[in-house]
Amino acid sequence: DQQVKQNSPSLSVQEGRISILNCDYTNSMFDYFLWYKKYPAEGPTFLISISSIKDKNEDGRFTVFLNKSAKHLSLHIVPSQPGDSAVYFCAASAISPGNEKLTFGTGTRLTIIP
Amino acid sequence: GAGVSQSPSNKVTEKGKDVELRCDPISGHTALYWYRQSLGQGLEFLIYFQGNSAPDKSGLPSDRFSAERTGGSVSTLTIQRTQQEDSAVYLCASTPRTGYEQYFGPGTRLTVT
Repeated sequence: DQQVKQNSPSLSVQEGRISILNCDYTNSMFDYFLWYKKYPAEGPTFLISISSIKDKNEDGRFTVFLNKSAKHLSLHIVPSQPGDSAVYFCAASAISPGNEKLTFGTGTRLTIIP
Repeated sequence: GAGVSQSPSNKVTEKGKDVELRCDPISGHTALYWYRQSLGQGLEFLIYFQGNSAPDKSGLPSDRFSAERTGGSVSTLTIQRTQQEDSAVYLCASTPRTGYEQYFGPGTRLTVT
């Protein structure tokens, strides 16, 4: 039962354009969402997060949007740079005690074309 | 400061042997998590430790898997009688408090032949 889904295994975007990565979830108990970036042979690194009380969080070139009614979130990267090429994982968590573990999607490999 | 470290970085073992994977979390972090990533899959939760509370073992795939955390710091994940399907990258993460962004180590790539 995949509670967090990233339906696009890969995405290619021209340098300077906007990259949009999508994520859907099924568990209505999730109330905290995170995006991680992973380079080969390294552990995932935290990128940006959003609480369910918000619908948008912005940090520099990265913006995460949350649509609770649709159980959908997206990560926007603009402008895209070659160093953004990596695998991006969406993750979700419930803050309630006993449910703090992260549930990850399967990842989207983003390739930025120079 | 130092990040999360894991050892070994790579481990090749024969089917049926036992393996131990080590994780050193960031100093002062009270929560520690183990995940694994199989080829083409997302990160799968295995187990987590929070302070002195009983660990959440709900993600362990079988009783061949166990983990301990000594002194609230270093953790060891043990896989007994390894099988080929255990081949994966095993990742450890820590966080100063539960429910928020976790800091990951580089992982241990386990190959069972």
